[in-house]
Amino acid sequence: EDQVTQSPEALRLQEGESSSLNCSYTVSGLRGLFWYRQDPGKGPEFLFTLYSAGEEKEKERLKATLTKKESFLHITAPKPEDSATYLCAVSRGNYGQNFVFGPGTRLSVLP
Amino acid sequence: EAQVTQNPRYLITVTGKKLTVTCSQNMNHEYMSWYRQDPGLGLRQIYYSMNVEVTDKGDVPEGYKVSRKEKRNFPLILESPSPNQTSLYFCASSLGRNPYEQYFGPGTRLTVT
Repeated sequence: EDQVTQSPEALRLQEGESSSLNCSYTVSGLRGLFWYRQDPGKGPEFLFTLYSAGEEKEKERLKATLTKKESFLHITAPKPEDSATYLCAVSRGNYGQNFVFGPGTRLSVLP
Repeated sequence: EAQVTQNPRYLITVTGKKLTVTCSQNMNHEYMSWYRQDPGLGLRQIYYSMNVEVTDKGDVPEGYKVSRKEKRNFPLILESPSPNQTSLYFCASSLGRNPYEQYFGPGTRLTVT
């Protein structure tokens, strides 16, 4: 059965304290891996797409990496405004149109 | 402004009373999808559509119907809602059939009593 897990479930950091979030997946026919950010009461907001092992993407304080079985979201010197739930999702199917989301990591960055 | 809109944003209803949640996008996207989000379970895909008149089941389609008669609209229909369909629902759209990033609507919080 296809599955996406994320760890830790929740993470509390001090401002400036770098860390990584993990997304592990078992899926047949992976077409892409996505990271989203979700603020309370809002819809998820797209961050990154990774398509193949070894690929890396960066945006401000965030960097996403992908291996054959997991992805990491590295947060460098986080700020309080980075506090949110971070969701990982994989796409599968003939055209990658079917998505499976992980349960998310709830990140709190304290000033 | 490019966006996905959903209506209503909040809905309280009773078991068995048919309801429709509308979703509309103004980005000329081919792909649209519906999800439900429940605590501890994350986002689960209900239905998706790769184009007008083309729809397919996601992982949790039971109890839901969809239609795609126009490119911009993708309504979610609950013909006989039950309490286990109480959830937060999100509509999303993306550029095309390949796995592009999705743009999500603001969500509809549904309570079925």
